[in-house]
Amino acid sequence: GDSVTQMEGPVTLSEEAFLTINCTYTATGYPSLFWYVQYPGEGLQLLLKATKADDKGSNKGFEATYRKETTSFHLEKGSVQVSDSAVYFCALRALGGSQGNLIFGKGTKLSVKP
Amino acid sequence: DSGVTQTPKHLITATGQRVTLRCSPRSGDLSVYWYQQSLDQGLQFLIQYYNGEERAKGNILERFSAQQFPDLHSELNLSSLELGDSALYFCASSVTGGPGGETQYFGPGTRLLVL
Repeated sequence: GDSVTQMEGPVTLSEEAFLTINCTYTATGYPSLFWYVQYPGEGLQLLLKATKADDKGSNKGFEATYRKETTSFHLEKGSVQVSDSAVYFCALRALGGSQGNLIFGKGTKLSVKP
Repeated sequence: DSGVTQTPKHLITATGQRVTLRCSPRSGDLSVYWYQQSLDQGLQFLIQYYNGEERAKGNILERFSAQQFPDLHSELNLSSLELGDSALYFCASSVTGGPGGETQYFGPGTRLLVL
């Protein structure tokens, strides 16, 4: 079945460091891909998404490019801030069928130190 | 604020008991999803409703059930609770609930603790 694999955390960075969180997927066809963020004590918020190959999703300085050839959707940010400390989830939704549920990776906890 | 509301925020109960979690979707959204977040299983899809009808089932236990009412709010019923049911339960909503790139909006969650 469909699945998402993302790098294990936790990831600890200093402020202004470069961030990469790896995400690869297994799916039939070409799913839509998402990054969600969960701040401490809160629900999940959509960070960015991409719906077809070579699409780049971007938001708040974060970017991820849908790479069909490597089945990947790595999250990057050029300069992280303390306020980016959160858990990041990569997710996919199948292209076909009738159900619209998301399939999530296990999450990567990011801690940014001043 | 996503526009999705969930009540209660916290719930503490005992093994063997039954609880009901409530979710109100964003205005205009017809589809509701329930997810369970636990330390060992991560975020798992439980069940999806669209306009009052069940659309998809995930890893939902037989002790759990859900429904979506005519006003589109949804309830998740958990019965014969076990310690392992302790988790964060999220509700999400979207406009059509179909596949593809439609965004799902998540509520703040209900934290269930079974003692």
